[in-house]
Amino acid sequence: DAGVTQSPTHLIKTRGQQVTLRCSPKSGHDTVSWYQQALGQGPQFIFQYYEEEERQRGNFPDRFSGHQFPNYSSELNVNALLLGDSALYLCASSHVIDRGYEQYFGPGTRLTVT
Amino acid sequence: KNEVEQSPQNLTAQEGEFITINCSYSVGISALHWLQQHPGGGIVSLFMLSSGKKKHGRLIATINIQEKHSSLHITASHPRDSAVYICAVPSGAGSYQLTFGKGTKLSVIP
Repeated sequence: DAGVTQSPTHLIKTRGQQVTLRCSPKSGHDTVSWYQQALGQGPQFIFQYYEEEERQRGNFPDRFSGHQFPNYSSELNVNALLLGDSALYLCASSHVIDRGYEQYFGPGTRLTVT
Repeated sequence: KNEVEQSPQNLTAQEGEFITINCSYSVGISALHWLQQHPGGGIVSLFMLSSGKKKHGRLIATINIQEKHSSLHITASHPRDSAVYICAVPSGAGSYQLTFGKGTKLSVIP
C-alpha cells in the first residue's frame, strides 16, 4: 500500500494564477481532508470531502475549492493566487473506525507564490 | 471550538533521555492524534487514541479522557527523534475538522 500520495511535490506560481493540487488516499479510505500549513505555523483545516461532496469547511475563502472523484482521489483548486497562499498543502485520508477516525497524512505539496 | 495546548514548546535532550510531551484540550473528544513532522517535511501519524495507552517501539502515548489530557513519551531518545511533535483533536463534538496544537520542537543531542 503506497499510503497517501500527493502531486506535485513542489510548485511555483505567480500571483493571480490558478493551481490544482492532487491527492490519492490510502487504500480503503473514503474521506479526504485538506490542510494548509504556513511556514512556522500549525496546519489549518481547509475542507473535507466524503462521497464526492464537501462535508465540512474551515475558514477559507471561496477561492479555495475542491473535488472528490468516484475513486476517492481529490483535487484542491486555488484561484487568483496571493502571496499569502504560499504554504505546504497537506492531504489526509481517513475512514471511520470505532470512535474517531485515524487520519493518514500525505507528504504535502509545497506551493510558492511569487 | 476546542482549544489545544502543548508543553513544552521547545525541548532539548541528551541522547538516551526519557522525554515527555504534554497536550491538554478544552472540549471532550472521541479521539486524539499525535503527529510527527521533521523539518521541511510532511506529517506522519504516530498514534490515534481514545482511551488508555498505546505503544509503538520507543513511543508511548497515554490519554486521560476525564482530565482532557494526553502525554507522548519517548524512551531512550535518539537524534533521529528530533522533530516537531503535534497533538490534534476534533474541533468540537462530532466535528470532522482537526484542531492542532502549536507543536513541541524536540532536539536530541548526541
